[in-house]
Amino acid sequence: AQKITQTQPGMFVQEKEAVTLDCTYDTSDPSYGLFWYKQPSSGEMIFLIYQGSYDQQNATEGRYSLNFQKARKSANLVISASQLGDSAMYFCAMIETSGSRLTFGEGTQLTVNP
Amino acid sequence: EAGVVQSPRYKIIEKKQPVAFWCNPISGHNTLYWYRQNLGQGPELLIRYENEEAVDDSQLPKDRFSAERLKGVDSTLKIQPAELGDSAVYLCASSLAAGLAGYNEQFFGPGTRLTVL
Repeated sequence: AQKITQTQPGMFVQEKEAVTLDCTYDTSDPSYGLFWYKQPSSGEMIFLIYQGSYDQQNATEGRYSLNFQKARKSANLVISASQLGDSAMYFCAMIETSGSRLTFGEGTQLTVNP
Repeated sequence: EAGVVQSPRYKIIEKKQPVAFWCNPISGHNTLYWYRQNLGQGPELLIRYENEEAVDDSQLPKDRFSAERLKGVDSTLKIQPAELGDSAVYLCASSLAAGLAGYNEQFFGPGTRLTVL
């Protein structure tokens, strides 16, 4: 069963606007962590933001925020004030305490238009 | 501080040939991961090391893939013989500790892009 689902293969946004990248997950483990990574065309995976399942508040890191809705099992990434350099693949990932394996979704290709 | 180093960055080989990838993790990181990323997909874990011990290799195709981390620092991933379907990017990552002690940020290297002809 797919544990991480990213339903948007591609997204487009105008520079300086906000964009939301969707992520839903599936787990029966009460303790887990959710991550977002950015992968530019150069190939490296860059950590953006983390949300723990017991965290009461949504995580924020600069222009990145995570809209965590536990009951819906969703962990959407919000990028505010998009920049041209934000164009990249974005991956949602999850780690469960029952294992230490980071499971990735299939990614969303974000294109920021000038 | 140096990041995760991988070499080579690119490798083109013919099928049935052997190939090896090398990874040097961030200094002090005792957990090392090898992932395979097929085109258009997210990375999938092949093997995870805690120091020199392989603690999760359930997704490593052991008939042709092997890995080692002899001194608990750098690691080598080998494929012998390579098949057309092995064409992918092979990513190495490292972290301070596995599991959810606080949170477990994995730092990734730039990857090795393998093309099997």
